[in-house]
Amino acid sequence: QAVLTQPSSLSASPGASASLTCTLRSGINVGAYRIYWFQQKPGSPPQYLLRYNSDSDKQQGSGVPSRFSGSKHASANAGILLISGLQSEDEADYYCMIWHNSAWVFGGGTKLTVL
Amino acid sequence: DVQLLESGGGLVQPGGSLRLSCAASGFTFSNYAMTWVRQAPGKGLEWVSSISGSGGTTYYADSVKGQFTISRDNSKNTFYLQMNSLRAEDTALYYCAKGGLSCGTITCFEYWGQGTLVTVSS
Repeated sequence: QAVLTQPSSLSASPGASASLTCTLRSGINVGAYRIYWFQQKPGSPPQYLLRYNSDSDKQQGSGVPSRFSGSKHASANAGILLISGLQSEDEADYYCMIWHNSAWVFGGGTKLTVL
Repeated sequence: DVQLLESGGGLVQPGGSLRLSCAASGFTFSNYAMTWVRQAPGKGLEWVSSISGSGGTTYYADSVKGQFTISRDNSKNTFYLQMNSLRAEDTALYYCAKGGLSCGTITCFEYWGQGTLVTVSS
């Protein structure tokens, strides 16, 4: 079982909100990790969006709109990237990442379609 | 402005070697860890290796441990990835990124290069 699991795809309408999940493998407690989120568009390197550990330990990337926010769902053992007020330009691949056992681990990514 | 520029990619036969470079500018290079991340064609991101600012601490993904070596030359504001015994599965776009260690106190992964393509094929 992968350390981080993301749904492969998600669709949402312009103006709506999208909640992207990053589920940690059983036995790895989401409460103990800072979760990083990246956006990647075709032909471009990843862009750092934010990192989230708690409401008192979070960081937004420079220039990243506040409609991108992070949270955790403890009972689901998951990190959440919430994108509100979806725009067509938000259509991209989104990756989560944690530092686990002296290694950075990426989730498999979610392709977000805005239609 | 922070800039990261990768070079050294290309076509190499299986079993061959390549050395990637990432030249950095716009920040005090020796103060920051640096990281290599790769992306196989049509696939997701995979962390490869990170090195501390002094070069004294390194970390590797299990998939490349013993095969790749990360290093840096702070006098040249450049860090490297020496890749040996290359296999088809090492074919990927290799990105360098600023940061990767001690990320609780600094912003990591905010800056990325455009990537350099490594193709392993006969």
